[in-house]
Amino acid sequence: GAVVSQHPSRVICKSGTSVKIECRSLDFQATTMFWYRQFPKQSLMLMATSNEGSKATYEQGVEKDKFLINHASLTLSTLTVTSAHPEDSSFYICSARPFTGGKYNEQFFGPGTRLTVL
Amino acid sequence: AQSVTQPDIHITVSEGASLELRCNYSYGATPYLFWYVQSPGQGLQLLLKYFSGDTLVQGIKGFEAEFKRSQSSFNLRKPSVHWSDAAEYFCAVAPGGANNLFFGTGTRLTVIP
Repeated sequence: GAVVSQHPSRVICKSGTSVKIECRSLDFQATTMFWYRQFPKQSLMLMATSNEGSKATYEQGVEKDKFLINHASLTLSTLTVTSAHPEDSSFYICSARPFTGGKYNEQFFGPGTRLTVL
Repeated sequence: AQSVTQPDIHITVSEGASLELRCNYSYGATPYLFWYVQSPGQGLQLLLKYFSGDTLVQGIKGFEAEFKRSQSSFNLRKPSVHWSDAAEYFCAVAPGGANNLFFGTGTRLTVIP
């Protein structure tokens, strides 16, 4: 149980185009989903937190107009990188968290999406 | 400043040898503590976590970690490393029991025959 998928796993795009990445919780309902960015040989940096049906909360320094997040259902969140540039090339990882009513609700991570902008 | 520190960027051990990966945190209250493993190009898998109680926690794949409040540390250990353990290991904290995770910079483990 608790499987999270991401699609696509890899994407290459031209500079100036937009790319959409999907994150799905396959066997549970995720009240909250998180989007992380990971540069080569570095740690995961939280970009934003999204709750189903409401606007995402972005971390300081993350451009909300560039990284559009939609959490339209309890099993799907999307991250759209708008007008992508080479510096946006990175590994994007999502996680999903079910609400179980406990004191802490574990996050389950997707396999990641490698974005390369030419 | 609040932080999670993994002082070892890269560790190489021989297969069968013991392993200890260090993690220190700097938060006001004892946070929830986690260790994750990431294989190349993959997402993160939870190895173990500490919320409260017994300070020695057992995880999957033969890993264990010990919480030491006096040292603000949560070091990961394994008595005998297998070649399949080669991966990137991340320590993470959820400050004050909050639901957001903050990660250390990771330790890359190489296992040699």
